[in-house]
This record gives sequence, C-alpha cells and structure tokens, in this order.
Amino acid sequence: NAGVMQNPRHLVRRRGQEARLRCSPMKGHSHVYWYRQLPEEGLKFMVYLQKENIIDESGMPKERFSAEFPKEGPSILRIQQVVRGDSAAYFCASSPEQGGAFFGQGTRLTVV
Amino acid sequence: AQTVTQSQPEMSVQEAETVTLSCTYDTSESNYYLFWYKQPPSRQMILVIRQEAYKQQNATENRFSVNFQKAAKSFSLKISDSQLGDTAMYFCAFMKLGAGTASKLTFGTGTRLQVTL
Repeated sequence: NAGVMQNPRHLVRRRGQEARLRCSPMKGHSHVYWYRQLPEEGLKFMVYLQKENIIDESGMPKERFSAEFPKEGPSILRIQQVVRGDSAAYFCASSPEQGGAFFGQGTRLTVV
Repeated sequence: AQTVTQSQPEMSVQEAETVTLSCTYDTSESNYYLFWYKQPPSRQMILVIRQEAYKQQNATENRFSVNFQKAAKSFSLKISDSQLGDTAMYFCAFMKLGAGTASKLTFGTGTRLQVTL
C-alpha cells in the first residue's frame, strides 16, 4: 500500500507563472488536506477536500489559489501568478473516515 | 476554534536519556484525536503517536509514550532511551471528530529536539 504521493518534490517558478502541485492519497482514503509550511514555522491548514467536493477552504487565500480533487486522478493545488511570498513547502495529507492523517513528502516551491 | 500550544521552542537531550515535550490545547469539543508528528531534516512529516480523547489509557509506541490529561488539556510526549535519529522538529496536533467525518489538523508551532552524544 503506497503512501501519500506528492509531485513534484521541488518546483521552481518565476514570478507571475502558475504552479501545479499534485497529490495522490493512500489507497482507500477519501479525504485530502493541503497544508503550507513556511520556513521555521508549523504547518498551516489550507483546504480539505473529498472526491469532487471542497469541504473546508477556510485556510486558503481567496485569490490565486484553488484546489480540486476530481473523481478520477490526483488532487491538484493550483497557484496562479505566483509571488515570492508563495515560496514554501506544501504538504498533502490523506485520511480514512475514522481520522488521523498521513502525509506525503511535500513539494518545495521556490519562486524566483 | 481550537488552539495548540507548544511552549518549548528548543530542547536538548543526551543519547540514551529521557526527554518530555510539552503540549497544551484548548477546545470545547469532547470527541477528538491528538497526535505527535516528527519532522526530521528530510522534512517528511512522520506520525509518531496518536491518542483518542475517549480513551483514558495513555498511548505508547515502543520508546514513545504520552501523558494525556484530558481535564487539564495537556498532551505531553515522552521519548525514552533517546537516539540520534530522534533529532527532529516535533509537532503536536489536534483533530476534532464529527459524525463519521474526518477533520483538519491544527498544529502547534513545534519543538526542535537535538539529541547529543
């Protein structure tokens, strides 16, 4: 049973470009979460999704950021027109119905 | 809203010794989970231990154990026989449970643990 898979591991984008981060949850897990970690800080919740539904996006900036978890395929976190302040590690976690969360290895986004 | 507080930004322990990391939380929920995650220099988030709030017995996983004091809203992590590989950031996290639906994690700010020779 493969763990949570995130790709790419590292992503470099120039200011103004788009970043797409992918997450495939563990088999049998129906919940996906995205968290952001700035250097020397803890993880901050961004968005919580189930298949084809956004359950809670209270931690996600209203502009430039969007997330989806389609019926088929991985969950995608999309950041449009990236700025230097978007540079961070983005972690995806998946969870079974009964709770707990298992994390992927993260995507480190660097905006230059 | 839930909050999680880790009051020790950094700690150090000698190899083979025991160390305790503190965590307190604030919630009005009665049904929830508490977790400790480890983040080594590789940045991977690794689940160390989990405690269900309805269980009075403290969780243990090999050298890792917790002291869960529900009334005091305290959830400390004890690491026995510390090893160099335990060097990492440790995050305490809270997850409320509702009607069969998993929920988001709220993290503390972390404690950086250094294990020395």
